[in-house]
This record gives sequence, C-alpha cells and structure tokens, in this order.
Amino acid sequence: KAGVTQTPRYLIKTRGQQVTLSCSPISGHRSVSWYQQTPGQGLQFLFEYFSETQRNKGNFPGRFSGRQFSNSRSEMNVSTLELGDSALYLCASSFLPSGANVLTFGAGSRLTVL
Amino acid sequence: DQQVKQNSPSLSVQEGRISILNCDYTNSMFDYFLWYKKYPAEGPTFLISISSIKDKNEDGRFTVFLNKSAKHLSLHIVPSQPGDSAVYFCAATFNTGTASKLTFGTGTRLQVTL
Repeated sequence: KAGVTQTPRYLIKTRGQQVTLSCSPISGHRSVSWYQQTPGQGLQFLFEYFSETQRNKGNFPGRFSGRQFSNSRSEMNVSTLELGDSALYLCASSFLPSGANVLTFGAGSRLTVL
Repeated sequence: DQQVKQNSPSLSVQEGRISILNCDYTNSMFDYFLWYKKYPAEGPTFLISISSIKDKNEDGRFTVFLNKSAKHLSLHIVPSQPGDSAVYFCAATFNTGTASKLTFGTGTRLQVTL
C-alpha cells in the first residue's frame, strides 16, 4: 500500500512569505501528526489531527496552523516566514490517535527560508 | 524544556560489535517508549518499543532496556551492521485519555564502520 506522501519535497521561500505543505496519509489512517526537525532540536511536535479535529498542539506560535480534510489529507501553513522556520517538516499518520500507536512518517518537506 | 534527552549526538561502532544508544527522560508520567530510525532523505521508521510495565523488550538484533527508577532507556544493537548507520530517535508518551502525544529526543547519529 502507498505510504505517507508529502508535497512539495523541497521549497525555498523568503522572509515574510507564507507556505502551505500537504500530507496524504496511508489509506485508512485517520490521524495525522506534524513535526518540525531542526539540527540539535530533534523532532518537535507541531499538532495532531484526528477525524478533522485538532487533537493536540505543540508549543509553536500561532503562525503555524493546520487542518485536516474529510479524506484525512492534511495541510499545514506557516505565515510570515522567519529564517528560523527553515527545517524539515515531517508528517506522520496512524489509524488511531498517536501516543502508543506506531506512526508512519512521510519523507518530509524541506523548507528553506532566505 | 527537553523532556526526552539523547546526550550523545553521535556514535561510531565497528561492524560486528555492540551499539548502545542511550536516552533519558524527565517526565515520570511517560509510560510507553519507542525508538525510530531515520536514514537521510527518508522519514523516521519505527524500530522497537517498550511499555513501562516491562524492563526489556527484544526483537532480533535489537533490544531495548528500561530503567524506570533512573528514567533511562537504552537501545542495544548486536551485532552492528553497516546498514544500521542512521539517526536514532527515542520517543516517549503517556496516555492522558484525550491528548497523548509523542515527545522525541534530539537523536543520535550511529555510524557502523567496516
């Protein structure tokens, strides 16, 4: 079966712009989580959606937002980009809400902010 | 506040020897722990997990040990193989009923040399 698909894989933006990243989970998975990976910081939890509802949110500013559609696909948006937003953004899906459930990750979207 | 810490950013081990990756946590409410492995340009993949009711879990060459009193877990890989070269993340979670989430460490880069 197809894995978790993230688009775009790479993108370059400038400060002040906004960006939208997309994630298509494994078929049948209803939970989608987003993580930010930066050197030295590991994977920082952004938010999780389950059945179109935000279930949990990490400690990121309001510039970071997301949503989930009825087909479980999810998008995250970052507005007013800052240099520090340069990172690998990973999406993960699971059948049930995360936690003790194993997550299946996509390959990520690498964002560079100039 | 880094609740899950991997204090060794990198580790180099010879092929055939044992690799030991360490992880410490500060939140005593964590009751389930996982290890993920990440190759470059790919998303993390699940490796092995352990519940807090156990102190050891084994899967082939991989064994995870949990010391709850020390809030410490370790991943042992025996014997190490060149294909094990990757970044390893430990993760912890607790089930709050409605909002459990995974908290990841910063990762340890393992290099297995010939």
